[in-house]
Amino acid sequence: NAGVTQTPKFRVLKTGQSMTLLCAQDMNHEYMYWYRQDPGMGLRLIHYSVGEGTTAKGEVPDGYNVSRLKKQNFLLGLESAAPSQTSVYFCASSLQRISNQPQHFGDGTRLSIL
Amino acid sequence: KQEVTQIPAALSVPEGENLVLNCSFTDSAIYNLQWFRQDPGKGLTSLLLIQSSQREQTSGRLNASLDKSSGRSTLYIAASQPGDSATYLCAVRPNDYKLSFGAGTTVTVRA
Repeated sequence: NAGVTQTPKFRVLKTGQSMTLLCAQDMNHEYMYWYRQDPGMGLRLIHYSVGEGTTAKGEVPDGYNVSRLKKQNFLLGLESAAPSQTSVYFCASSLQRISNQPQHFGDGTRLSIL
Repeated sequence: KQEVTQIPAALSVPEGENLVLNCSFTDSAIYNLQWFRQDPGKGLTSLLLIQSSQREQTSGRLNASLDKSSGRSTLYIAASQPGDSATYLCAVRPNDYKLSFGAGTTVTVRA
């Protein structure tokens, strides 16, 4: 009963380094999302995907890239990490766009950029 | 742009007291509103989802109301327990893919 799984759970990077965060879901959901959560602020949408091979920009996409090569996986990439990208990153998935089904969230990746 | 506000940012109550958490949003053109619970170091767990055509939803000790015209939702938790201590997030969904989140209310229930 895995649901949404994010790897890694913690990571410390130096400014300028690159990395990829992996999100995997086993619920056959079409839609997947990447959010960031910062202190005192609500979650903000970075990028989202409405199906395999498709991606779209969210509210705060700058400095991030994403890929959805397989339906069950959604990758978030930081090409050149900056201290402003220190945050907790959450992946979510949902069955369909407009429905009475909520989004399901992973446990988050805590990322620190030094 | 949709703005979602949750006041207060933090709340501390003795065990057994009823909890009332408030959420307000600026644009009434929403498809649904969701309440989430977030435990420290964990992801979000969906508690209740209210469609825009509904006035309230109930699950056990939880009851959420929605007044779309005034841009407000309230989450009631009856007879609070220490296990209810968490951060509660409200999110509204406009007619697209996004959720707009409030910053949350952190609840502490004292034994």
